[in-house]
Amino acid sequence: NAGVMQNPRHLVRRRGQEARLRCSPVKGHSHVYWYRQLPEEGLKFMVYLQKENIIDESGMPKERFSAEFPKEGPSILRIQQVVRGDSAAYFCASSPYAGADNEQFFGPGTRLTVL
Amino acid sequence: DQQVKQNSPSLSVQEGRISILNCDYTNSMFDYFLWYKKYPAEGPTFLISISSIKDKNEDGRFTVFLNKSAKHLSLHIVPSQPGDSAVYFCALGNQAGTALIFGKGTTLSVSS
Repeated sequence: NAGVMQNPRHLVRRRGQEARLRCSPVKGHSHVYWYRQLPEEGLKFMVYLQKENIIDESGMPKERFSAEFPKEGPSILRIQQVVRGDSAAYFCASSPYAGADNEQFFGPGTRLTVL
Repeated sequence: DQQVKQNSPSLSVQEGRISILNCDYTNSMFDYFLWYKKYPAEGPTFLISISSIKDKNEDGRFTVFLNKSAKHLSLHIVPSQPGDSAVYFCALGNQAGTALIFGKGTTLSVSS
């Protein structure tokens, strides 16, 4: 009965490299959300995806960030040409349906450090 | 531009006493209000929620109160236990929407 799984748990990248963060939702959940938590801040919404579709990317930076949730496999959050300001904890959440009245189950997060 | 404010970064309470965590919001568009609990190095865990048509929801030791006119949400934990020590986030959303808007969190420390 696995919950949301994220890997890697910790990722270190040098400036200019690419970071790939993976999220496997709860089995049967087709809605995935990505949030970012900067130090001393709350979680900030980035993007909401259903299988093969981006539904809401209003929180995604316009450049260097992209997300996908393919028909098969985990959801991927990709950050190209990372900068120090990208250092944060990235959390993925999943839910069986859309809407805030459906609990979002969170993964343990990926802590990205950019050197 | 903070839509959700948790003005107390930390709160210390003795075991057995009541813990009251507060959250203020600015936008009346939200119709669903949630509290999440987070331990270090883990993801947030859902605790309790309330819809805008109610003013109170209770689940065991946890009660959430909603004052829509004041745009104020609070979480009461009674009696508090050392295992309740964690960061508590309030989050706001819409039943028709998707994204949750989180506050910055309040770190609760319950001493025995």
